[in-house]
Amino acid sequence: QLQLQESGPGLVKPSETLSLTCTVSGGSISRGSYYWGWVRQPPGKGLEWIASIYYSGSTYYSPSLKSRVTISVDTSKNQFSLNLRSVTAADTAVYYCARIWNGYIDNWGQGTLVTVSS
Amino acid sequence: DIQMTQSPSSLSASVGDRVTITCRASQGISNYLAWFQQKPGKAPKSLISAASSLQSGVPSRFSGSGSGTDFILTISSLQPEDFATYYCQQYDSYPITFGQGTRLEIK
Repeated sequence: QLQLQESGPGLVKPSETLSLTCTVSGGSISRGSYYWGWVRQPPGKGLEWIASIYYSGSTYYSPSLKSRVTISVDTSKNQFSLNLRSVTAADTAVYYCARIWNGYIDNWGQGTLVTVSS
Repeated sequence: DIQMTQSPSSLSASVGDRVTITCRASQGISNYLAWFQQKPGKAPKSLISAASSLQSGVPSRFSGSGSGTDFILTISSLQPEDFATYYCQQYDSYPITFGQGTRLEIK
């Protein structure tokens, strides 16, 4: 059974870079057919898609975050990662990693709360 | 970007009620529409893809319909475990976008 697990710091200082990694088990990122991505949810608010990546490196980014975001993949470790630069309090959220099939999010990680605060 | 608008934003209902939630896209998205259920402190759970295709393990009281710009999620007979927040998501084109959510509460 496919499992996705987010990892990374739970606290990031303003203006610094938020870095998260998603480890995939029960399936190979390199299999193809799927994109892998990140979605976030500020406390008490709705869902916001951030970025998606294919195992080959093809990417899509949210236009509103594109200037600050990099998504990358490491097929040897079966992981993909998110870097969000120059964070502010508005970036405080639960960050979910996900598997995406033809744009449809069919599997979600459990989520990790990242708080931006000094 | 395609804007997704859900209505209502919140809804109170009783166990056994039939409930409908609407999702409208700002432009046609064919049937590239998914529905998710989210309970407090949990990740979203996939319910329906392709507007009407029930995911494995999802109870048959859930159903989806629609095409183009207007979509409906129906719960035929509410159960206690159905009280949650529901989101629609379009995947016709990037950027992927979600509705703002509908909070379903116990009356």
